[in-house]
Amino acid sequence: SYVLTQPPSVSVAPGKTARITCGGNNIGSKSVHWYQQKPGQAPVLVIYYDSDRPSGIPERFSGSNSGNTATLTISRVEAGDEADYYCQVWDSSSDLFYVFGTGTKVTVL
Amino acid sequence: EVQLVESGGGLVQPGGSLRLSCAASGFTFSSYEMNWVRQAPGKGLEWVSYISSSGSTIYYADSVKGRFTISRDNAKNSLYLQMNSLRAEDTAVYYCARGEEATTPFDYWGQGTLVTVSS
Repeated sequence: SYVLTQPPSVSVAPGKTARITCGGNNIGSKSVHWYQQKPGQAPVLVIYYDSDRPSGIPERFSGSNSGNTATLTISRVEAGDEADYYCQVWDSSSDLFYVFGTGTKVTVL
Repeated sequence: EVQLVESGGGLVQPGGSLRLSCAASGFTFSSYEMNWVRQAPGKGLEWVSYISSSGSTIYYADSVKGRFTISRDNAKNSLYLQMNSLRAEDTAVYYCARGEEATTPFDYWGQGTLVTVSS
């Protein structure tokens, strides 16, 4: 089945930039979505179709996808960005119709 | 306002059954595809099952195939997950999530309902 690999954790100082990677075989040929999940809450969509932002999501959140890596970038990080982040793809060829990444815990120092 | 509200979770013994429900409001339920996603305690997200807007197309993760059954009642704006032969590893928070098409993201999620499988 298709596997999406994320770093377990990323630490960043306030005001700096956090980059969260999502690795998968030829992921650049797929559409990647990103979700933010804070403790005790449901996931929230923050980036869809690689780089689009839903309404209400700050412009500080951006995404890119090429080759074997998709990246979620959070600019000018704030304390409120501390959360778990998951990438997701749809893979009709996989035994998992939808695949989530392993998740990355973003810690704001 | 789009709302998805899950219910039906609880404590069940291994081998037992449980039926989860997801009540939808604030949108035309019959126009959207729906999914169940679960999250074991302290773990990541795992997609469980998908159902098309009409209910004619259904998919399951291998981990639940043959044990779980997804269904929907568009007249009642409701999504269901019948879970049989439950195992300890099925312990998780179960979320229902809305999608517009197979390739689209899950744009709205419920708050989740906890299922605990333990003797």
